[in-house]
Amino acid sequence: QVQLQESGPGLVKPSETLSLTCTVSGGSISSHYWSWIRQPAGKGLEWIGHIYTSGNSNYNPSLKSRITMSVDTSKNQISLKLSSVTAADTAVYYCARGNSGSYNRWVYFYMDVWGKGSTVTVSS
Amino acid sequence: SYELTQPPSVSVSPGQTASITCSGDKLGERYTCWYQQRPGQSPVMVIYQDNKRPSGIPERFSGSNSGNTATLTISGTQAMDEADYYCQAWDSTSVVFGGGTKLTVL
Repeated sequence: QVQLQESGPGLVKPSETLSLTCTVSGGSISSHYWSWIRQPAGKGLEWIGHIYTSGNSNYNPSLKSRITMSVDTSKNQISLKLSSVTAADTAVYYCARGNSGSYNRWVYFYMDVWGKGSTVTVSS
Repeated sequence: SYELTQPPSVSVSPGQTASITCSGDKLGERYTCWYQQRPGQSPVMVIYQDNKRPSGIPERFSGSNSGNTATLTISGTQAMDEADYYCQAWDSTSVVFGGGTKLTVL
């Protein structure tokens, strides 16, 4: 059974870069999308972006200029970097496995496995 | 950008049927999935591709999608179904979430 585990610093200073890693165990990292989603306390889910194992990626347009994602297939890890953080970036950050395809002319995308989340606070 | 709208809250009595809607322009022409998030836990997918249930999700969860509205239906609602529910669709190159609905089982 595939499991995802997010890791990284719980506290980041304003203007610095947030760095998180998602380690995949129990299955292959190949042939899937790997997404990052965040959730500020008491608020809804916000998609940050995703990356395919080939390296192709899509990012949330509102965050695109600050995001870098990468995949390390040798370590079964996906990483997220978010630059120039502010207090508004304080949230629980989740990684999730994405599945995409098309059926009857329409494209589907869903995330079937999620990590437990990593809490990141931006504060000096 | 594409938007999905959900009611902030829905209440249901135990054993009754709960319906949670998700609205978006021509949503019926996109595949929708639904996630359940219990307090303090990660989201869990309960419906994908409009009406498919992942392994391990009870049969009381079902989905539909037509016109501008997708609906998550929970039949015979149980206390353990009290949670936040989010719809999600795909728009060109982005994942879009609805704002979430808090389901209260009274």
